[in-house]
Amino acid sequence: EAEVAQSPRYKITEKSQAVAFWCDPISGHATLYWYRQILGQGPELLVQFQDESVVDDSQLPKDRFSAERLKGVDSTLKIQPAELGDSAMYLCASSSRLAGTYNEQFFGPGTRLTVL
Amino acid sequence: LAKTTQPISMDSYEGQEVNITCSHNNIATNDYITWYQQFPSQGPRFIIQGYKTKVTNEVASLFIPADRKSSTLSLPRVSLSDTAVYYCLGDGDNQGGKLIFGQGTELSVKP
Repeated sequence: EAEVAQSPRYKITEKSQAVAFWCDPISGHATLYWYRQILGQGPELLVQFQDESVVDDSQLPKDRFSAERLKGVDSTLKIQPAELGDSAMYLCASSSRLAGTYNEQFFGPGTRLTVL
Repeated sequence: LAKTTQPISMDSYEGQEVNITCSHNNIATNDYITWYQQFPSQGPRFIIQGYKTKVTNEVASLFIPADRKSSTLSLPRVSLSDTAVYYCLGDGDNQGGKLIFGQGTELSVKP
């Protein structure tokens, strides 16, 4: 069964350092999402891509976070500089959603970030 | 966007049927009700989705009354492996695929 791949699974960094997370969606899925999940809370959408274009980044802290999906396949989420409050699970999801239809989102295993 | 309300936690025992109710008073006419399950240290996983009445799959059943202001996820004969957080969400094309997760319901199944 196809899965969403993410790496690394765990990342420990010091505040003010730069970190990057990678996501490879299920082949053929045009829509890709990055979520942040703080312990004890539900996931919060950071950015949504349709192919290589950003559809929604309204919740992305753009002063320190950036996301790209240059060829419309895999994606990278970067934080620079990292802050203590960025400690969380970062989840990537993909779907084959088309306008006017419902398609479930498939989530990867996530990257657990700890900022010291 | 549909705001949902569900219990923060529930306890059950193996073999029992568990019903988790979710309120969504302002759900849009064309929104579907969707439930996701999340195990510790994993991403959420789609369980079931419905629009009206009853939907059943190999994992669960979903009951949605005619007014669609609430829904109930039913898990038959739970086992220890059903211990997880369960999220109720409204999903529709007017949200462009954006899922709004609440705090979810943490289900603990005991032996």
